[in-house]
Amino acid sequence: QSVLTQPPSASGTPGQRVTISCSGKDSNIGSNYVFWYQQLPGTAPKLLISRNDQRPSGVPDRFSGSKSGASASLAISGLRSEDEADYYCASWDDSLSGHVLFGGGTKLTVL
Amino acid sequence: EVQLVESGGGLIQPGESLRLSCAASGFTVTSNYMSWVRQAPGKGLEWVSIFYRGENTYYAESVQGRFTISRDISKNTVFLQMNSLRVEDTAMYYCARGGYSGGDSPLPLSWGQGTLVTVSS
Repeated sequence: QSVLTQPPSASGTPGQRVTISCSGKDSNIGSNYVFWYQQLPGTAPKLLISRNDQRPSGVPDRFSGSKSGASASLAISGLRSEDEADYYCASWDDSLSGHVLFGGGTKLTVL
Repeated sequence: EVQLVESGGGLIQPGESLRLSCAASGFTVTSNYMSWVRQAPGKGLEWVSIFYRGENTYYAESVQGRFTISRDISKNTVFLQMNSLRVEDTAMYYCARGGYSGGDSPLPLSWGQGTLVTVSS
């Protein structure tokens, strides 16, 4: 069971807006950055959002991140078939000695 | 261009040891946080170990005392020595580069392609 809680699945139709939540505690999300990763089938994870809401170069602006208190969200607008993937949130935890935490992952299906 | 290339995975029996390597290019491994993250078949990501600021190293509880992270500055390579391997250690192991260890976030910014470790009798 992951310390960062994500819904196991999400879905939407092409063009829709989908959000994926990530819930944690004050010691992790509440006091540290949240990063989001996209993992396409059979490939390594790829950074999607850093520092809560920063998009690395090359990531479409359809992807956006936000954080409020001990929770964070990833929003995907204008959903496309190629967005079908697993999405993971991550944060550092101050209460654990040197721990990076990952959410359990959300499988996004584009219907 | 930042590149991470893992190697050393394979099929191994329970109780045996294996050393994974992560050859880095495009940056210096001492300048950034360096982590190992694994993913069991069909499962999510699990953080394993990190080279934190300076020589500080940390481990997940599941591998504490069995795994050791190290680095060879001359080869710009990070290693993961895995001893007393268990069936549940079977996973794809990814090397990941975090932010600058001088004060940036330790969370992964870039990932290698992974190396598969299978522990089975």
